[in-house]
Amino acid sequence: EVQLVESGGGLVQPGGSLRLSCAASGFTFSSYAMHWVRQAPGKGLEYVSAISSNGGSTYYANSVKGRFTISRDNSKNTLYLQMGSLRAEDMAVYYCARDRLPYSSSPLGMDVWGQGTTVTVSS
Amino acid sequence: DIQMTQSPSSLSASVGDRVTITCQASQDISNYLNWYQQKPGKAPKLLIYDASNLETGVPSRFSGSGSGTDFTFTISSLQPEDIATYYCQQYDNLPPLFGPGTKVDIK
Repeated sequence: EVQLVESGGGLVQPGGSLRLSCAASGFTFSSYAMHWVRQAPGKGLEYVSAISSNGGSTYYANSVKGRFTISRDNSKNTLYLQMGSLRAEDMAVYYCARDRLPYSSSPLGMDVWGQGTTVTVSS
Repeated sequence: DIQMTQSPSSLSASVGDRVTITCQASQDISNYLNWYQQKPGKAPKLLIYDASNLETGVPSRFSGSGSGTDFTFTISSLQPEDIATYYCQQYDNLPPLFGPGTKVDIK
């Protein structure tokens, strides 16, 4: 079964750091670009970051650029999102998602999603 | 960034009704548009890609059309399990932004 399982969410103080993980199974992880998408409470979907299949290319939304770092370990079938200088507006459910096609050179959409992990930023 | 708008923001319809949602891009995106369904408390689910192609396993009552800047998503006969928020997403340019969503419920 194709599956993505996020972990690492929790309560963090403003200005703090957190690392999210996304464990993939059931498909050839190293063949797919991967994405992080977040959703603040009661709000819509916000695109956060992407990484190419080999990790050589990354993209960040302006709202997180310079504060978040996306990475992957293809030997461990795991995607990461290192989040720093966290703000109240970063509070959200964070989803990892797989790109729709293998070896895509640009995002084509997300066909497999994790269940999400919740990040709460509060003092 | 290419901005996406959707209308309406919410709608109520009866079981069996035809439901139509529109999505507009701020510039020409050809057919590089996806539609997702998100049920409360769940992750989004890809329903349609390339504006009109049904993802595997998605019921045929869902359909999409359009190209350029104007797109339409249709549920031909609304079912109780279709209660959800629907999002369009462009992928012509980075970032692949989502529309604000359309919440669909049963009248």
